Amino acid sequence: EAQVTQNPRYLITVTGKKLTVTCSQNMNHEYMSWYRQDPGLGLRQIYYSMNVEVTDKGDVPEGYKVSRKEKRNFPLILESPSPNQTSLYFCASSLSTSSYEQYFGPGTRLTVT
Amino acid sequence: QQPVQSPQAVILREGEDAVINCSSSKALYSVHWYRQKHGEAPVFLMILLKGGEQKGHDKISASFNEKKQQSSLYLTASQLSYSGTYFCGTERDRDDKIIFGKGTRLHILP
Repeated sequence: EAQVTQNPRYLITVTGKKLTVTCSQNMNHEYMSWYRQDPGLGLRQIYYSMNVEVTDKGDVPEGYKVSRKEKRNFPLILESPSPNQTSLYFCASSLSTSSYEQYFGPGTRLTVT
Repeated sequence: QQPVQSPQAVILREGEDAVINCSSSKALYSVHWYRQKHGEAPVFLMILLKGGEQKGHDKISASFNEKKQQSSLYLTASQLSYSGTYFCGTERDRDDKIIFGKGTRLHILP
């Protein structure tokens, strides 16, 4: 089944404790991206990647890191999480560039206390 | 710059029509439409590329007026399953990042 998976689905952590949210797709998609969703603000892009080893900042990249060492994986790293990073995070992938249908993962709800 | 969606929310009775608008102050290459049900991930509806095309499937269609940098999503004879939040995403150039609007909440009453 074609899908985008994220782990964990729910995470409660404390300020400053490094964490990684994994994202994996099995569709051989080149384009992958991370969004955060907050009430009333819509979906805001954090980082995106056009292909392996190619990443670029979205609209709200501060406090986040990403890497794309393999085509299928695009982990989101929070080196020192803060309460303002409490949010719902979605990973998405598409065949090539952003001009194609994006497939979203199920979401990761992160709470930083 | 984030596109502006209107209305912010709408309540309809089953069978009524709805129009959701998405506008940008910048020239656009494409407009994307997604629907998100509560507690779920956004699901793709359609993409419109510059050229003023109109797309649709079933009773959901959309238009893109590139001169006005506007897109409209049309939901005809709405069904209960249409309830959710609709997002438009805009792209200024090919291979550019997508910027999503804040969403329009649609609630269909039986």
